[in-house]
Amino acid sequence: QKEVEQNSGPLSVPEGAIASLNCTYSDRGSQSFFWYRQYSGKSPELIMSIYSNGDKEDGRFTAQLNKASQYVSLLIRDSQPSDSATYLCAVFYGNNRLAFGKGNQVVVIP
Amino acid sequence: GAGVSQSPSNKVTEKGKDVELRCDPISGHTALYWYRQSLGQGLEFLIYFQGNSAPDKSGLPSDRFSAERTGGSVSTLTIQRTQQEDSAVYLCASSLGTANEKLFFGSGTQLSVL
Repeated sequence: QKEVEQNSGPLSVPEGAIASLNCTYSDRGSQSFFWYRQYSGKSPELIMSIYSNGDKEDGRFTAQLNKASQYVSLLIRDSQPSDSATYLCAVFYGNNRLAFGKGNQVVVIP
Repeated sequence: GAGVSQSPSNKVTEKGKDVELRCDPISGHTALYWYRQSLGQGLEFLIYFQGNSAPDKSGLPSDRFSAERTGGSVSTLTIQRTQQEDSAVYLCASSLGTANEKLFFGSGTQLSVL
């Protein structure tokens, strides 16, 4: 099993709709979870971090963590064309190594 | 500096040649990471430095890859006898050094092996 899995293909959402992204991870002991956004040809930038079970909201973004089921999700509300990017899930492992998923491409259609 | 600086931004080399990629982290950041990103793929962990501790080299794909960090600051990733499959974007990131800290990424080095 891969350390961090993001299995969904490209996600197309109409402007103003909710984009939902999911991520699962293999290490039950992981404590720190992140979502990075990467525009085409650019470097990743952090948009959300979450450490406790439940929801964490920041503007139009909500991260959800369920440690028992080992998944993390990201919701983007009121999606805008500027949200079109690849979203990378990242999980810190015990030796301080940050492992990334392959990413999910989001396309917001005006 | 204001951000993580990587050089060169682009490197074209011939198969079999050695290349050196440089990363200058944010001042005061004790943790430094190297990742590799192939076209359309996620980030593949290569190596992690934390202060003066022994680096975590568990992600280096072969013994042709090595990295060092001098004085706890600048890092150099060296690829010997480059192969075409080494072509990728090599990203460096730094952080304050704990597991909860945000990683700041450099703009990367696009390596093309012909």
